[in-house]
Amino acid sequence: EVQLVESGGGLVQPGGSLRLSCSASGFTFNKYAMYWVRQAPGKGLEYVSIISTDGGTTNYADSVKGRFTISRDNSQNMLHFQMTSLRAEDTAVYYCVKGSDAWGKGTTVTVSS
Amino acid sequence: DVVMTQSPLSLPVTLGQPASISCRSSQSLVHSDGNTFLNWLQQRPGQSPRRLIYNVFNRDSGVPDRFSGSGSGTDFTLKISRVEAEDVGIYYCMQASHWPHTFGQGTKLEI
Repeated sequence: EVQLVESGGGLVQPGGSLRLSCSASGFTFNKYAMYWVRQAPGKGLEYVSIISTDGGTTNYADSVKGRFTISRDNSQNMLHFQMTSLRAEDTAVYYCVKGSDAWGKGTTVTVSS
Repeated sequence: DVVMTQSPLSLPVTLGQPASISCRSSQSLVHSDGNTFLNWLQQRPGQSPRRLIYNVFNRDSGVPDRFSGSGSGTDFTLKISRVEAEDVGIYYCMQASHWPHTFGQGTKLEI
């Protein structure tokens, strides 16, 4: 069974940083591109970043470009998301996603003073 | 970015009756490899999204056959042949043919 378990969310002040992680199991991690998708409170879904199977290619939504960095450790089946210069509008549940077919339960990031 | 437009945004339905959701994209979703990466997701209250349909019409494992997808190019439809109580939630279309992948606004299905 595919499992994606996010961690690292929390309350942070504007301008602060957080590092999200996603532990993956139940599939061959290094064979799949991975994504972070976020959902602001009461809002829809937004893809924010993608990383290729070997980590060599990444892409970001304009809303986070230059502030967030996606990475992966295929030896540990882990996906990471370094978030810096956080803004109130980054407040959301962040989901780790395998392709579009498997989603974690999400971790909540709240940016507030 | 490709804009995905769903209609209706709210869909009151009666148990046992059919339901249909439309999704239109601002540009063709036919990928250069010939595939059309249009998916439908279901998000039940308090849960993570779950993919129901991939590449326009393919049902994911465990998805009841009352769910079906159709369409091509820029126009797509999700149909539920007979709505059941467990179908309550928000349905999203999403395209993965162009980066950034984008979602429709969501359609709230309620009994």
